[in-house]
Amino acid sequence: GAVVSQHPSWVICKSGTSVKIECRSLDFQATTMFWYRQFPKQSLMLMATSNEGSKATYEQGVEKDKFLINHASLTLSTLTVTSAHPEDSSFYICSARDSTRSYGYTFGSGTRLTVV
Amino acid sequence: DAKTTQPNSMESNEEEPVHLPCNHSTISGTDYIHWYRQLPSQGPEYVIHGLTSNVNNRMASLAIAEDRKSSTLILHRATLRDAAVYYCIPPNNNDMRFGAGTRLTVKP
Repeated sequence: GAVVSQHPSWVICKSGTSVKIECRSLDFQATTMFWYRQFPKQSLMLMATSNEGSKATYEQGVEKDKFLINHASLTLSTLTVTSAHPEDSSFYICSARDSTRSYGYTFGSGTRLTVV
Repeated sequence: DAKTTQPNSMESNEEEPVHLPCNHSTISGTDYIHWYRQLPSQGPEYVIHGLTSNVNNRMASLAIAEDRKSSTLILHRATLRDAAVYYCIPPNNNDMRFGAGTRLTVKP
């Protein structure tokens, strides 16, 4: 149980375009999801906390207008990278917690974004 | 900021035990201690969690200090597939910030 599906697993886009990444909890409901970015050889950096039915909470230094987060249902959160630039190329990962359990988070398999 | 301290890297020989330490001195009394690991180009995967008592599962054992300010993840017989970055995380009020983790290298 507690499976998180992230799609796509990789994407290449042109500079200036937008890319949407989906994060779905397949067998549980998640009121809270987290979005991370990871550069090579570095740890995961928390970008934002996504809350179902309300605005996401962004970490300091993360541009909310560039990284749009929508958590419209209890099983789906999306991250849209708008007007992508090469420096946005990174590994993006989401996670969610099954609210029926008091512990543990499940992570998606990640999305490798390359902006050319 | 991350509230954990782990060694940057550790090495082990295959088939030998590995003890991965973590300091989490600011953990609150009700927070579980979680360990995750991340294989190359994958999202983190759950390894084990605990509150106060030592815990065992098919992947590893978790030894928690009596004051809960530190814990040790124990891999009883390291395999090449255990080479990964290991993170300990004491979630606090849904704070899921990661520290740098420990990169475990397993030598054949």
